[in-house]
Amino acid sequence: QVQLQESGPGLVRPSETLSLTCSVSGGSISTYYWTWIRQSAGKGLEWIGRVYNTGGTSYNPSLTTRLSMSVDTSRNQFSLRLAAVTAADTAVYYCARQFTAKRWDLPSGVDVWGQGIAVTVSS
Amino acid sequence: DIQVTQSPSSLSASVGDRVTITCRASQNIRGYLNWYQQKRGNAPKLLIYVTSNLQRGVPSRFSGSGSGTDFTLTINSLQPEDFAIYFCQQTYTTPNTFGQGTKLEIK
Repeated sequence: QVQLQESGPGLVRPSETLSLTCSVSGGSISTYYWTWIRQSAGKGLEWIGRVYNTGGTSYNPSLTTRLSMSVDTSRNQFSLRLAAVTAADTAVYYCARQFTAKRWDLPSGVDVWGQGIAVTVSS
Repeated sequence: DIQVTQSPSSLSASVGDRVTITCRASQNIRGYLNWYQQKRGNAPKLLIYVTSNLQRGVPSRFSGSGSGTDFTLTINSLQPEDFAIYFCQQTYTTPNTFGQGTKLEIK
C-alpha cells in the first residue's frame, strides 16, 4: 500500500525558507494530486496546495506569494518551499494524496497521509 | 474562499448512541464534501468522500448525506474507537477549506 513520509527541518528561523520533501513508497507518483496540509492549534487544518504529476500546481491564495511546490517523478518525491516564514507558519505539516472519485470531475478526498512533521519557526 | 461551518464544536455521547455532525458551506459546493476522523497524535483519516461515498475499510455505521450547502455525517451505534475529532472539507474550489472540527467525547 502507498505510504508517504515527510522529511525536513523541525526548526526554521524567521524570514528563512522552509523546505519539506515527501517520499512516496508502494506506488507511483505518476497519478493523483499530491497535497500539503498543515495543522496548528490556532488555525486548525489548512490546505496549503497541491501539485500534479505533470508539475501543475494549485496554491492557497493566502500563501501563494511565498509558496512553491514541485514533483520529482524519477525519485517518487514531491516538495514544498515556503519563503519568509514567521511564527504563524509554525504547525504540523502533512503531505498527502488527493484523488478524483469516479464520475466526478474535481479532486475529492485525501485518502493517504504522511505521519506529519512538526515545524517550529523561532530564532 | 468558501467557508465551512461545522456544528456542534463538541458533542458528548454514549456507546451505542447515534450522532450527527453537520457542515454548512458558504455557497453551493455541488457535493464536494468529505469527512475525516482524527485521533490524538495521528493524521486525519478519510471516512466519507463526495458527500456519501464510504472510503474502503471504513465501517458501515458511518454515513454521509446532503446537497448544496448542507451536509451531515451520521454515526450509528457509536463504538469506543469512534471518540475522536471529526472534520469536514470542501473540495469544490481552491483553497480546499476545512471545518473547524467536532470533538466527540464519551458521556
